[in-house]
This record gives sequence, structure tokens and C-alpha cells, in this order.
Amino acid sequence: AQTVTQSQPEMSVQEAETVTLSCTYDTSESDYYLFWYKQPPSRQMILVIRQEAYKQQNATENRFSVNFQKAAKSFSLKISDSQLGDAAMYFCAYRSVYSGGGADGLTFGKGTHLIIQP
Amino acid sequence: DAGVIQSPRHEVTEMGQEVTLRCKPISGHNSLFWYRQTMMRGLELLIYFNNNVPIDDSGMPEDRFSAKMPNASFSTLKIQPSEPRDSAVYFCASSPARRGNTIYFGEGSWLTVV
Repeated sequence: AQTVTQSQPEMSVQEAETVTLSCTYDTSESDYYLFWYKQPPSRQMILVIRQEAYKQQNATENRFSVNFQKAAKSFSLKISDSQLGDAAMYFCAYRSVYSGGGADGLTFGKGTHLIIQP
Repeated sequence: DAGVIQSPRHEVTEMGQEVTLRCKPISGHNSLFWYRQTMMRGLELLIYFNNNVPIDDSGMPEDRFSAKMPNASFSTLKIQPSEPRDSAVYFCASSPARRGNTIYFGEGSWLTVV
């Protein structure tokens, strides 16, 4: 079974600064997908960014980018020019592509609470 | 396009009562997932369906929980009888059939059992 670990329960950053959220995972599979979801106080789960394991290029979405290190099984999220609206819980998640790889769905980390200081 | 639609958004019920949560997945999505989120256990997968068929319900905590998907556009999660420890946010999510596709979440149903 796969596991996802987010070692930072809480992070704080000044508005307009850059912050990096860490995520590591454990898997024996060679192909998979990784995701970052944002959960604001409303509790809605919002997709931030997605990375395909077989792609070496790191995914980017506007101010959000990832540093995907497949050998190290590391998948960090960088938020540039932090804004007050970025304040939320951020969850790292793993999804297998193999039907024989156990249950489908996402395996989540425990989340990182991001605080934006004005 | 409409996202995943869940109802009710909030429910407060008394212990022992039956609770039914409803979900309409995104049109064209073949996979549907029910998750539960609590402070203690985080996000847990309860059950998922492919093409309306339950594939894995190993995450369903007890026999008090049941889920159905009578057609491609509707699913229910039922708790009978409810207990205070069932208080949580319940998410429905859907995705296209192929594994690896993004899973899209509804806004969640906040359940409080008193």
C-alpha cells in the first residue's frame, strides 16, 4: 500500500513571499499521479496542481509549481507571491494507475495548514 | 459545467436516526468515491464505484453504513442508526474511468450527530 507523508503540520509566510510545502510518499509502483489539493475553511477540496510520474518536467499552474523528485519520492509545492486567499489546508495525494495496485482513489497526507501573514 | 453536487450541506441529527447523504457526480464520470474527513483520522476512502458497481467497500467502518449507486447520475450514503462518532464531513467525488485522472470533489456534507 502507498503512504503519503506531510511533515509540516503548519507553515506561516508573509504575504507576497514564497513558501514551500513538503510531501514524501512511499510506493513500489513506477507510474502514478500526484496531486496537491487546497481546502479553505469552507472545506471544499480544490485541485491545485497535478503531476504525472512519467513526466520529468515539473508541473506549474500560475503561482503554484512543484518540485518532483521521483528517485527521492518527494513532491513539494511552491507558492510564489503568497496571497491572503492562499490561506488553507493543503493536502498532498497519490493515485495509482494500476488496476492491480489495490483500491482506486486518492491516498492523502495529513495536510499542512498554511497561514498567510499580512 | 456543474461540479459534483452533494446534499444536504449540513445536517444535525439525533443519535439513532437514519441519515442519507446524496451525490450527483459530474456528467460522464464513471468512477464515484465517498470519503469521510475527521480531525482524528483525516481523509478516509469509504467506498468507490465504477460504472455504478461497488468495487471496494473495505473502508466502510461498520454495517451501519451502506452506499448505493442506482444510476450513473446518483449515489447515496446511508447511516442507520447514526452515532455521535459518525460526526464528520462526508465528501463525494468523481472522475473519468481511467486511473490517474483527476478526482473532483463536491463541497461536502457536514454531519453532526448529537
